[in-house]
Amino acid sequence: DTGVSQDPRHKITKRGQNVTFRCDPISEHNRLYWYRQTLGQGPEFLTYFQNEAQLEKSRLLSDRFSAERPKGSFSTLEIQRTEQGDSAMYLCASSLPSKAELFFGEGSRLTVL
Amino acid sequence: TQLLEQSPQFLSIQEGENLTVYCNSSSVFSSLQWYRQEPGEGPVLLVTVVTGGEVKKLKRLTFQFGDARKDSSLHITAAQPGDTGLYLCAGSPYSGYALNFGKGTSLLVTP
Repeated sequence: DTGVSQDPRHKITKRGQNVTFRCDPISEHNRLYWYRQTLGQGPEFLTYFQNEAQLEKSRLLSDRFSAERPKGSFSTLEIQRTEQGDSAMYLCASSLPSKAELFFGEGSRLTVL
Repeated sequence: TQLLEQSPQFLSIQEGENLTVYCNSSSVFSSLQWYRQEPGEGPVLLVTVVTGGEVKKLKRLTFQFGDARKDSSLHITAAQPGDTGLYLCAGSPYSGYALNFGKGTSLLVTP
């Protein structure tokens, strides 16, 4: 399967713990996006990478959130000191250069107790 | 953030009926996409429309981009239970990289 893959698919954690999600984009896609989606809402943009450079961050991305794409391939999204409001589906997507169409992974669902 | 309003929010119809869902904004987009999402999965791209007034057909689905590139519609003919899902529109801004999504229309088609 050469689609976007995310790991883990599900994560349950206690409030205050740190969590990290990983995204492996489609290999020839140099653009990578993180979105967050809560029940009944559309995906909300978090951050965008072009190769290894983080070019755009949403105001939704508080200081507790950090994303990296060290070698321009896979990316990680870390949430420190999780809060119950962080419970959501975290979606990763990738795209080709100069193409608007996004290819999404299946998402990582986070539940903070 | 350029807001996209989708209507209706929920739609429940019987198999064989026709329906139209709408995506509206006060902003102009360079292109607009429609995605379908099933529970527990990521959105899957259905179509991209680029030119104002453009109409694209995908089997029983017809997509239209408004002349002013601010709105779009999705029409489904003879809906089937397999069409059930969350339909999301997303707009590409002229500046910035973020694709902005609407809240979606949740469609349920019953046999």
